[in-house]
Amino acid sequence: ELKVEQNPLFLSMQEGKNYTIYCNYSTTSDRLYWYRQDPGKSLESLFVLLSNGAVKQEGRLMASLDTKARLSTLHITAAVHDLSATYFCAVEGNNNDMRFGAGTRLTVKP
Amino acid sequence: DTGVSQDPRHKITKRGQNVTFRCDPISEHNRLYWYRQTLGQGPEFLTYFQNEAQLEKSRLLSDRFSAERPKGSFSTLEIQRTEQGDSAMYLCASSLLGLAGNEQFFGPGTRLTVL
Repeated sequence: ELKVEQNPLFLSMQEGKNYTIYCNYSTTSDRLYWYRQDPGKSLESLFVLLSNGAVKQEGRLMASLDTKARLSTLHITAAVHDLSATYFCAVEGNNNDMRFGAGTRLTVKP
Repeated sequence: DTGVSQDPRHKITKRGQNVTFRCDPISEHNRLYWYRQTLGQGPEFLTYFQNEAQLEKSRLLSDRFSAERPKGSFSTLEIQRTEQGDSAMYLCASSLLGLAGNEQFFGPGTRLTVL
């Protein structure tokens, strides 16, 4: 069964610092997605990664995928308060179901 | 583009009652997904449709849960004989499966409270 693990689950950062969130998954897949969720809101799509070595960047966020290691990373550069949210990775299984990680709750402090 | 809409946004019901939620996907999207999300957790996949066909339903939580998508447009999720453990946010998402993968766009969710 496909399992998706994120770490850390909680992350408190200072503004201006860099950090990386990790997403590991248990079975072969080459489709991985990153979402953002603000408190009380729904999920917003951030990145779609569809092949080994894929790298996507948007502003201060950069996501990458290593399908051989079954690992994706979400790197945060020079964090700002507006990035405070919960970030989820999701992996598409063989049955086209989507398995989400438990989420990383990010707080950026001044 | 009006996005994915869900109705109602909030539902309070008494244990044992039946509830039905509606989801209207983005109009050109051919796939529609239902998820449940409890506090502090990621969305939990329940079922999905491609057009009007329900292609995966083995992860519906029990036989009290059922979903339909008549004519491949809107979808409904019904929970019969609700239990307090059914209290959660129910999310709907739609996608257009293609070369760009299966990027899903989520609706605002229906928050269910079972008393």
